[in-house]
Amino acid sequence: DQQVKQNSPSLSVQEGRISILNCDYTNSMFDYFLWYKKYPAEGPTFLISISSIKDKNEDGRFTVFLNKSAKHLSLHIVPSQPGDSAVYFCAANYGGSQGNLIFGKGTKLSVKP
Amino acid sequence: DGGITQSPKYLFRKEGQNVTLSCEQNLNHDAMYWYRQDPGQGLRLIYYSQIVNDFQKGDIAEGYSVSREKKESFPLTVTSAQKNPTAFYLCASQGDAYGYTFGSGTRLTVV
Repeated sequence: DQQVKQNSPSLSVQEGRISILNCDYTNSMFDYFLWYKKYPAEGPTFLISISSIKDKNEDGRFTVFLNKSAKHLSLHIVPSQPGDSAVYFCAANYGGSQGNLIFGKGTKLSVKP
Repeated sequence: DGGITQSPKYLFRKEGQNVTLSCEQNLNHDAMYWYRQDPGQGLRLIYYSQIVNDFQKGDIAEGYSVSREKKESFPLTVTSAQKNPTAFYLCASQGDAYGYTFGSGTRLTVV
C-alpha cells in the first residue's frame, strides 16, 4: 500500500510559467515532508522541506505548501526554467530524524523553452 | 569535501554471479540506506543500517545482502538469487537532520 503518492508521472510546462507538482499521503503520523530533485544517472538532491507544524515554506523560486486536513502537499516552481527539467520525488517521514523516509514514485517535469 | 561515494558507476554482471556495490561516506552519519530505482517504480528500500554492526531489511531485501563493519562503509551484494537485478542502485546516509544525502548511483546490468 503506497503511503506517499504522486499521481502524475509527468508534467510539461512552458519556460517562465508556474510548475505545480502534487503529492498525497495516507499516514497521518508523518511529521516531516521533503522534495528531492533527480537528474538521469545521478543521485537525488535535496530541494526543500516542510514540517507538519507549518503550512508553507519558501526558498527562492521553490515553495512547498502543506494541507494536513487533505493530506496533500504541493511544490510550486516560479518561474520555471529549462534546468528544472528532472524527476521530482516527494518523501515523508515520521519517528523523528532517524525514521525512514517514504518516497513517492516521482513526477518527471519537462520545462520547454 | 564531505559526501557519499558509490562505485563503480556502471557494473555488468553475468547470470549466476554475485556482485558487490560499494558505498562510502565521510559525513560521519550513523544511518545508511540502499535503494533501488526502476522506471516508474520510484525509490524502493532494500536495506538500511542505523548503527555499525546492525542492519535491517527494507521492502525488497530478497536476493540482496549487506554488511556494516565500519561507520563509513555500507556495501551491497547482489546475489544470484536476485532474479531481476538490472536497475539503478542508490546509497544514502542520514545524520541528525531529517533528510538524506545520496550518492551518484550505480547502474547494474545483467549480461
